[in-house]
Amino acid sequence: DAKTTQPPSMDCAEGRAANLPCNHSTISGNEYVYWYRQIHSQGPQYIIHGLKNNETNEMASLIITEDRKSSTLILPHATLRDTAVYYCIVRGRNNAGNMLTFGGGTRLMVKP
Amino acid sequence: EADIYQTPRYLVIGTGKKITLECSQTMGHDKMYWYQQDPGMELHLIHYSYGVNSTEKGDLSSESTVSRIRTEHFPLTLESARPSHTSQYLCASSGIAAGELHEQYFGPGTRLTVT
Repeated sequence: DAKTTQPPSMDCAEGRAANLPCNHSTISGNEYVYWYRQIHSQGPQYIIHGLKNNETNEMASLIITEDRKSSTLILPHATLRDTAVYYCIVRGRNNAGNMLTFGGGTRLMVKP
Repeated sequence: EADIYQTPRYLVIGTGKKITLECSQTMGHDKMYWYQQDPGMELHLIHYSYGVNSTEKGDLSSESTVSRIRTEHFPLTLESARPSHTSQYLCASSGIAAGELHEQYFGPGTRLTVT
């Protein structure tokens, strides 16, 4: 599976949009981009995933560039409860075990 | 909310004791996983299972063992606990729907301290 690169930390003001970038320049055609987050001391939580089209759900939006080498997770109106570590993971469709490789992630701090 | 449970949530135990961390899921998922995470550090996969009677070691070497006798149950055992085993242990599961692999659902974790 392709390696991802994320900034180690970011701050965001409460109520503003949080835009979390991820680089995955070695992504191949059958690999999906997944986002999870981990709130302090809890198990990771799935947020969203996509292949090449932009995706939106009740939690966030995922914007994938046309060349698929990078993506951005958008939390449209960040709240204090969105403070967490956000992981961008690339996983192949042929990954039979559905394995996820977690990197360091981005520690998002939402401030009042 | 995902139906995956871990017990105990917290465990403090002395060196040399045998311990079993329990993980159960009620979603009928065939795949289950154990991750280890030290405070402030990355999650590392230590064991996984494709289904009943299937167990494999993950990316990070671990002295723990696992078993998968029933679909819903994936316990992790340490025969002789040591202080180096102090960590958080997270269990997860995933399944298949409409031919597509689903996301992984995580339990709340067990925080183990070996004194």
